Amino acid sequence: DTAVSQTPKYLVTQMGNDKSIKCEQNLGHDTMYWYKQDSKKFLKIMFSYNNKELIINETVPNRFSPKSPDKAHLNLHINSLELGDSAVYFCASSRLAEETQYFGPGTRLLVL
Amino acid sequence: GENVEQHPSTLSVQEGDSAVIKCTYSDSASNYFPWYKQELGKRPQLIIDIRSNVGEKKDQRIAVTLNKTAKHFSLHITETQPEDSAVYFCAAPSSGSARQLTFGSGTQLTVLP
Repeated sequence: DTAVSQTPKYLVTQMGNDKSIKCEQNLGHDTMYWYKQDSKKFLKIMFSYNNKELIINETVPNRFSPKSPDKAHLNLHINSLELGDSAVYFCASSRLAEETQYFGPGTRLLVL
Repeated sequence: GENVEQHPSTLSVQEGDSAVIKCTYSDSASNYFPWYKQELGKRPQLIIDIRSNVGEKKDQRIAVTLNKTAKHFSLHITETQPEDSAVYFCAAPSSGSARQLTFGSGTQLTVLP
């Protein structure tokens, strides 16, 4: 059984479009995350979220917004896509930040 | 916020040799230090972690050491094998937040057969 899943695996789109990436975890974890990994492999936290608190990294443009319909899902919405948004986006979950984070397989986003 | 620096950015070793990757962190309150391995095209996966109440932890060929006074921790891989080739990331809790990790910039380890 897949612990953390993401869809789609690949996403190719035009500048200016709006897109969403879905994430689901079946581990019963309370906290979920979104990371952006650029071409240099830097892994940067974008958001962390549980049912009580959303923490937004200050460098994330407000075109990016997480939406959580329930504890097992944290989707990422991106408005007005830009070339610089091209990257691999990883969803992850953990019981606490100071415990193992389980990553999804990643979504490879290419903005043309 | 937490600043995590990782060195080296690339590391090549001969199969069977040891590899050492080092990280420093800035927040003296940090007490959890994980290491993740990311193979090409795959997701990052935890390989070992250490908490501040111990100075060293081993798991077969992998060990992590922690020096809280100097605020640095290191990953040691002994008897390296080609399947150890990957990008390795260290991490530490972000300052002021119990819910985020700050990752180092990664080390591309290549084990030459």
